[in-house]
Amino acid sequence: QQPVQSPQAVILREGEDAVINCSSSKALYSVHWYRQKHGEAPVFLMILLKGGEQKGHEKISASFNEKKQQSSLYLTASQLSYSGTYFCGTRVKAAGNKLTFGGGTRVLVKP
Amino acid sequence: GAGVSQTPSNKVTEKGKYVELRCDPISGHTALYWYRQSLGQGPEFLIYFQGTGAADDSGLPNDRFFAVRPEGSVSTLKIQRTERGDSAVYLCASSLGTNTEAFFGQGTRLTVV
Repeated sequence: QQPVQSPQAVILREGEDAVINCSSSKALYSVHWYRQKHGEAPVFLMILLKGGEQKGHEKISASFNEKKQQSSLYLTASQLSYSGTYFCGTRVKAAGNKLTFGGGTRVLVKP
Repeated sequence: GAGVSQTPSNKVTEKGKYVELRCDPISGHTALYWYRQSLGQGPEFLIYFQGTGAADDSGLPNDRFFAVRPEGSVSTLKIQRTERGDSAVYLCASSLGTNTEAFFGQGTRLTVV
């Protein structure tokens, strides 16, 4: 039931864009996105609850395709502060309220 | 408290010993999660509490691991007969409800030597 994230890592220059994908083999209640910096706790970015929903946080946005059981996180005009590991968490309809995380995508934004 | 508090922040123990890790969630948060995170990996689900009851303990790796939340607030994760493979950062998170933001604590880094 663990979601699968891709890519595993991405290196960007400041100002460039990137997309991180999160997919599930099961029907989803919701998708949660977090960012974790080295040695720190994961920090909440956003939740998507409905198919077709899109949300934004600074210049980071996400979409949820309920039918395809996947979500994408968009980093637009990336800043140095966007560096970190991004995790998607999913609640699967068959598994109640358990929140399960993917393996993460490491993002490095260089000057 | 202002955030999720986990104690201790670091714990070094000898193989075979018993350890307790404590999580103090944000006041009023009924949902509480325990995760284990190894270096370079995502948080691995262990157990989820809704109130005092363990709503889902399917992630506990074996019967050496046990968690309680007797009054619906503070939770303790207990590990018996620790093994070197138990070494990891143990994260606790709490949330108001099931589809609201989960706030993470800073974690307890457990090292079994």
